[in-house]
Amino acid sequence: NAGVTQTPKFQVLKTGQSMTLQCAQDMNHNSMYWYRQDPGMGLRLIYYSASEGTTDKGEVPNGYNVSRLNKREFSLRLESAAPSQTSVYFCASSIRDRGLYEQYFGPGTRLTVT
Amino acid sequence: QQQVKQSPQSLIVQKGGISIINCAYENTAFDYFPWYQQFPGKGPALLIAIRPDVSEKKEGRFTISFNKSAKQFSLHIMDSQPGDSATYFCAARSRSYNTDKLIFGTGTRLQVFP
Repeated sequence: NAGVTQTPKFQVLKTGQSMTLQCAQDMNHNSMYWYRQDPGMGLRLIYYSASEGTTDKGEVPNGYNVSRLNKREFSLRLESAAPSQTSVYFCASSIRDRGLYEQYFGPGTRLTVT
Repeated sequence: QQQVKQSPQSLIVQKGGISIINCAYENTAFDYFPWYQQFPGKGPALLIAIRPDVSEKKEGRFTISFNKSAKQFSLHIMDSQPGDSATYFCAARSRSYNTDKLIFGTGTRLQVFP
């Protein structure tokens, strides 16, 4: 099992450009999440998807859109990148099974917007 | 209130010493409190977790202490090793009808020197 995979690993964008961050999981998890990590601010939830076909806003959704393409894939799109979106982006998936709960994280995408 | 407050922001410990990281929360509806460990360039990974009906949980050198009345919990790393050098995040689970979300603290960067 590859777990949670993310592409690309690194990206540099100019202000106003658009891009899509890809995420896939092979653990048959229902729920998937997108976070951004900034120094001193921890992990902040951008969007999440409880199940295939549903998406909801998290704490910091402005400037982002998401698509839950199928059970495996959950993408994050920046339509018009801004320097404030320079961050490390993590995708995660989770399972709630027999009372256990864990979020599994991908390796991250480091995005710089100039 | 959805916040989880974490301290200190950074911690330097000598090899063999005890590392202590503290977290506090306000929302009494939180029902699960995990700690995640993150190495540079990697995604966070679950280290240890506790439910509020338990005051302490120990796994090897890692112990969570939980004080429900004070709404505080802490991570103790006994006999700290250089390999424990990482960023540690506390979190609290918020449950909804269709999925769970984690609210993360701002992180503590631990450095263990030989």
